[in-house]
This record gives sequence, structure tokens and C-alpha cells, in this order.
Amino acid sequence: QQQVKQSPQSLIVQKGGISIINCAYENTAFDYFPWYQQFPGKGPALLIAIRPDVSEKKEGRFTISFNKSAKQFSLHIMDSQPGDSATYFCAATWRSGSARQLTFGSGTQLTVLP
Amino acid sequence: DAGITQSPRHKVTETGTPVTLRCHQTENHRYMYWYRQDPGHGLRLIHYSYGVKDTDKGEVSDGYSVSRSKTEDFLLTLESATSSQTSVYFCAISERGLRGNTIYFGEGSWLTVV
Repeated sequence: QQQVKQSPQSLIVQKGGISIINCAYENTAFDYFPWYQQFPGKGPALLIAIRPDVSEKKEGRFTISFNKSAKQFSLHIMDSQPGDSATYFCAATWRSGSARQLTFGSGTQLTVLP
Repeated sequence: DAGITQSPRHKVTETGTPVTLRCHQTENHRYMYWYRQDPGHGLRLIHYSYGVKDTDKGEVSDGYSVSRSKTEDFLLTLESATSSQTSVYFCAISERGLRGNTIYFGEGSWLTVV
């Protein structure tokens, strides 16, 4: 129940195209949904995040769409660039015990072709 | 980056030997976490700490122990390393226990158990 299911596992997009990564969850106790971007040899870095009472959040070329009733959320990368090539993780937080915890999806490896 | 230093960054060890990974922060944050990253599994929480000498188990804690004797240091110990513990280990810190976008990851420690 602490899982977040992410798809696709890998994605190849042409430069200028739209990259879409999807995630789904079951646990209604999740209360914050961040996306992380990770480059090879580096730790994950927060990209954008959304609260469940918001249906969409946009920051530059990155947009999260959130469907609370369907328990699904997605990341859209508009005008994808080769520099966006990285692994993307969706995640969710919830309170457990003495601290909030963070669970990750399995990751999507995005390749943007020049 | 976010004042997080992991050491060692790379280590090869033999099965059955003890291994300690160190996470050092300069931000004086209360919450510290150890995650492991494996292909197809995203990042999974091993242990976390919500203060000096206050720690708790995460999703994949078997075979690992932690200690936090100072705010700035969080140690992860593999008492008797096994090949299944070959992984990339990430330390993370948070000021407000994952509320909002306050979690930062270190650069990772690559551990190979042969």
C-alpha cells in the first residue's frame, strides 16, 4: 500500500516533443507528490511537486497533472531537450511513526534525441 | 550541494565483512535518511533518524543498523555484508521531515560486495 507504480520504464522522445510519465497509487494517506530528476552518478534532485488538492502545477516546461479520484498523477515535459535526458522518479509522502516518509516509483529513463 | 557528504563514495568489500557508510551534513537538519537504489526498485528507505539517538526502521532495514550520536553524522552499518547488499546508497536530509520540498540527497555511495 506504500507503493507508487510508475510507467513507462523507459521513454525515447525527439527533441521538441512532449515526454509523459505516469504514476498511480492506492494509499489515500499520501499527502504530497514530488517528482525527482536524477542524472548518472548523482543523487536525485527535486524537480516539481504537487499537493492532492491541486489538479495541475506548472513550472517552466514541466507540468504535473493530478487526478485525485483516479489516484493518478503524471509529469509532462514540454519541448523536451537533450539535456532533459535523465531518470525521473515520482514519489509520495505520508506520515508514519515519528517522521514523514517518502516512497518512490521505480523510475523512468528518459532519452531525448537531438 | 546541500551540505551533504557521503563517505566512502566507492567501496568493494568481501562477503561477511562489516561495512560502515557515513553521512555528514553541515545544515544542522533534524531528519536524516538512508536509501538504497537498485534497478527496477527506485529508491527504498533503509533507516531514518529524527534526532540524535532517535532512529527508526524503513522498508528494507534487515541486515542494516544505524547510529546517530551527533546531529551532523548518520552512520549506516552492514554488520556482515552480503552480495544482495551490493547497491548504491544515498543519504538524505530534511529540515521539516519531508513536509514540502525540503529533502536533499547526497551524491551516493557505490558498494560492491564480492
